[in-house]
Amino acid sequence: DAGVIQSPRHEVTEMGQEVTLRCKPISGHDYLFWYRQTMMRGLELLIYFNNNVPIDDSGMPEDRFSAKMPNASFSTLKIQPSEPRDSAVYFCASSSRQGRSEAFFGQGTRLTVV
Amino acid sequence: GENVEQHPSTLSVQEGDSAVIKCTYSDSASNYFPWYKQELGKGPQLIIDIRSNVGEKKDQRIAVTLNKTAKHFSLHITETQPEDSAVYFCAASKNKAAGNKLTFGGGTRVLVKP
Repeated sequence: DAGVIQSPRHEVTEMGQEVTLRCKPISGHDYLFWYRQTMMRGLELLIYFNNNVPIDDSGMPEDRFSAKMPNASFSTLKIQPSEPRDSAVYFCASSSRQGRSEAFFGQGTRLTVV
Repeated sequence: GENVEQHPSTLSVQEGDSAVIKCTYSDSASNYFPWYKQELGKGPQLIIDIRSNVGEKKDQRIAVTLNKTAKHFSLHITETQPEDSAVYFCAASKNKAAGNKLTFGGGTRVLVKP
């Protein structure tokens, strides 16, 4: 398996624009997580899904943030409208209830809002 | 919710020396404690983990110890090498049923000087 795949790797957008981050989890994994990493706040869990259903979105900072998982192999994190304080690295991770339950992280999307 | 504190925030060691990173957690229900290594421009990668039913685990040059009573756990790297230079994160999780929803410490930047 190629691991967790995120796109784009880098995104630069203007304040007020809509941003969509994409994630393809490891095949067979039933959990998917979205994390945000900043210098000030470290790694924060935004939302996670189990079997494509959102389980806990308490980490989503504002209504401007939304996440979907239409099927087991794809998830999106959308920010609309984007603000400069949303600049961060966004990671997607997936894991399986079976076996070791290790969370595998993607390479991340570095978002810059100017 | 869970709170994980990690120290030190930066650590500089001479090649061949040992490095120790310490973490404390607040929720006594946490039972899974992984350590992740993050290299520049990459996502975190699991290097070792420990569950609450054991006190110590070792894998070649790295080891982790857990003191459930005191609610702290530590990462030990022996015979450090330049390739050990990275940011290390500890994390805690309550239960496998939540797909290992992780709360991360603030990270330790380790620099191994040749």
